[in-house]
Amino acid sequence: QSVVTQPPSASGTPGQRVTISCSGSSSNIGSNYVYWHQQLPGTAPKLLMYRNNQRPSGVPDRFSASKSGTSASLVISGLRSEDEADYYCAAWDDSLSGHVFGGGTKVTVL
Amino acid sequence: EVQLVESGGGLVKPGGSLRLSCAGSGFTFSNVWMSWVRQAPGKGLEWFGRIRSKVDGGTIDYAAPVKGRFTISRDDSKNTVYLQMNSLKTEDTGTYYCTYDSSGYNAFDIWGQGTVVTVAS
Repeated sequence: QSVVTQPPSASGTPGQRVTISCSGSSSNIGSNYVYWHQQLPGTAPKLLMYRNNQRPSGVPDRFSASKSGTSASLVISGLRSEDEADYYCAAWDDSLSGHVFGGGTKVTVL
Repeated sequence: EVQLVESGGGLVKPGGSLRLSCAGSGFTFSNVWMSWVRQAPGKGLEWFGRIRSKVDGGTIDYAAPVKGRFTISRDDSKNTVYLQMNSLKTEDTGTYYCTYDSSGYNAFDIWGQGTVVTVAS
């Protein structure tokens, strides 16, 4: 059981907006930056967002993220077939003295 | 090109040992803190340890599930970090990734391709 909670699945049709939530606590999301990773089937994770809402170079601007209190969210605007993947939020946890990942959300493009 | 390559995975019996390696290239290996993340089959990502650079003390942190059984070390002359896994359990089965932050933003932006460890009798 992860200390950071994500819905197991989300879906949408091409062009739709999909939002993935990430719920933590004061020891992780509430006091540290949130990161998002995308994992395409059979591949290593890829950094998608860092420091709550920053996109690394090369990440399309249809991906955005935000954080409020002990929760965070990732938004995919204009969903595309290549966005079908698992998405993980992550943060440092001060109580555990370690990085924690959410359980992951599988995004399906219908 | 910045690259991390893991190796050493395989099949091992419960209670056995295995050593994984993670070789880096294309960057100044000695300057980075290296983390290990694993993923059980069909499950999510789990961070379980990191080793700081020597200049930052070279100290190591472990998550509770592996503390006392796993040991992380590094050989900067070989641009390699090692993961010695002892007393392996079936629940240690999964893909093991090494990763580090090249951005300076405490973000795991560089990942290896992973190596598969299977603990079964």
